[in-house]
Amino acid sequence: QPVLTQSSSASASLGSSVKLSCTLGSGHSTYIIAWYQQQPGKAPRYLMRVDSGGSYNKGSGVPDRFSGSTSGADRYLTISNLQSEDEADYYCETWDSHTPVVFGGGTKLTVL
Amino acid sequence: EVLLVQSRAEVKKPGESLKISCMGSGYSFTSYWIGWVRQMPGKGLEWMGIIYPGDSETRYSPSLQGQVTISVDKSASSAYLQWSSLKASDTAVYYCARLQGGYNYEEVDYWGQGTLVTVSS
Repeated sequence: QPVLTQSSSASASLGSSVKLSCTLGSGHSTYIIAWYQQQPGKAPRYLMRVDSGGSYNKGSGVPDRFSGSTSGADRYLTISNLQSEDEADYYCETWDSHTPVVFGGGTKLTVL
Repeated sequence: EVLLVQSRAEVKKPGESLKISCMGSGYSFTSYWIGWVRQMPGKGLEWMGIIYPGDSETRYSPSLQGQVTISVDKSASSAYLQWSSLKASDTAVYYCARLQGGYNYEEVDYWGQGTLVTVSS
């Protein structure tokens, strides 16, 4: 089954940009992934999907500050002009016909 | 507007049974898979299983198969997650989620608000 690897934590200053990564395991580098934001005490929220070509499609209401990109097996979520409300856990997810849902371990983003 | 509304928080004792629910609205309930996701205290998201309301086809995570039962009632536009004998280690927040893409599921696009289940003697 596909495996997703994320860094456990990241930090960046208010108003700056941060790029979070999600790496697909061997043999699954062409998979589409999705990004989610989970603010403290809340349910996850769908942000976007990112494909192997770097194209991304955002969910309804997701600010323009959020974007996606790809390099090989790595899928990225970039947040520009960081706001305090961006401090959250960020998860990536993928799927295939045998494994409907696979989550990465999540990255805890701290806004300094 | 797509909404998934889950049942309220529960406090149970070890060995008790429990069934929590997730009601979908704002879309064709029978045309999208519904999944259940566990989040244990301070931990990440863990997929438990999915069900297709159109025909009740169900798939479970291999690590959790046999420990829970997922079901659906099309007439109530609701999906359910059930335990026959709870353990303290079942203490977690449980989310239901819709998988987009119809029968050929894709990513989760909508989430319920979560149901906190606390199991303690």
